[in-house]
Amino acid sequence: VQLVESGGGVVQPGRSLRLSCEGSGFTFSGYGMHWVRQAPGKGLEWLAVISYNGNNEFYADSVKGRLTISRDNSRKTVFLQMNNLRVEDTAVYYCARDVDRAWNHPDYWGQGTLVTVSS
Amino acid sequence: IVLTQSPATLSLSPGERATLSCRGSQNFGPETLAWYQQKPGQAPRLIMFGAYTRATGIPDRFSGSGSGTDFTLSISRLEPEDFAVYYCLQYGSTPFTFGPGTKVDIK
Repeated sequence: VQLVESGGGVVQPGRSLRLSCEGSGFTFSGYGMHWVRQAPGKGLEWLAVISYNGNNEFYADSVKGRLTISRDNSRKTVFLQMNNLRVEDTAVYYCARDVDRAWNHPDYWGQGTLVTVSS
Repeated sequence: IVLTQSPATLSLSPGERATLSCRGSQNFGPETLAWYQQKPGQAPRLIMFGAYTRATGIPDRFSGSGSGTDFTLSISRLEPEDFAVYYCLQYGSTPFTFGPGTKVDIK
């Protein structure tokens, strides 16, 4: 199992960014996927989960309305669209595979992609 | 659901026993608690799920217990590679939530 995130970088407050996470080594379309972030020197914050077929999503209250999780099973990729970015969104963003089709715990994690929101 | 972990830092020597606590602000479903280990510069690693089931490849010096709102991760004899930060995650109720973490460092 391998998960590789991409799309991070430096972005100005108020702008948008889309992160991607490509999975390999497993049947991507059979598993739910999560996004989790970690601000510098801080703990883990769970953000969102999407079901194996993309039909259901759940979000943390803190990001609901600004972040959107989606997936393209033909490309074995899960996305995180982040709008109206704030300085406090600066963090390493991890994607992680669910052990099941949807609402269960993550098992395998990517190495993360750093998003820095700064003017 | 808010998870509280204690202590924030645990200073121990190799060979000692570590006991980490995770408490929820309310019940979140039976056996829906996981523990993750994170070392500096690395992604989290699944240690325990279902409150007391070890993940693949995790040595049996790690054990989990608890129910309801109170859970414990124990490490019977600390090895040098066990010094890290440990997070609990509840996945019984959406939105899922992590605890703030317990750092196990070398005394």
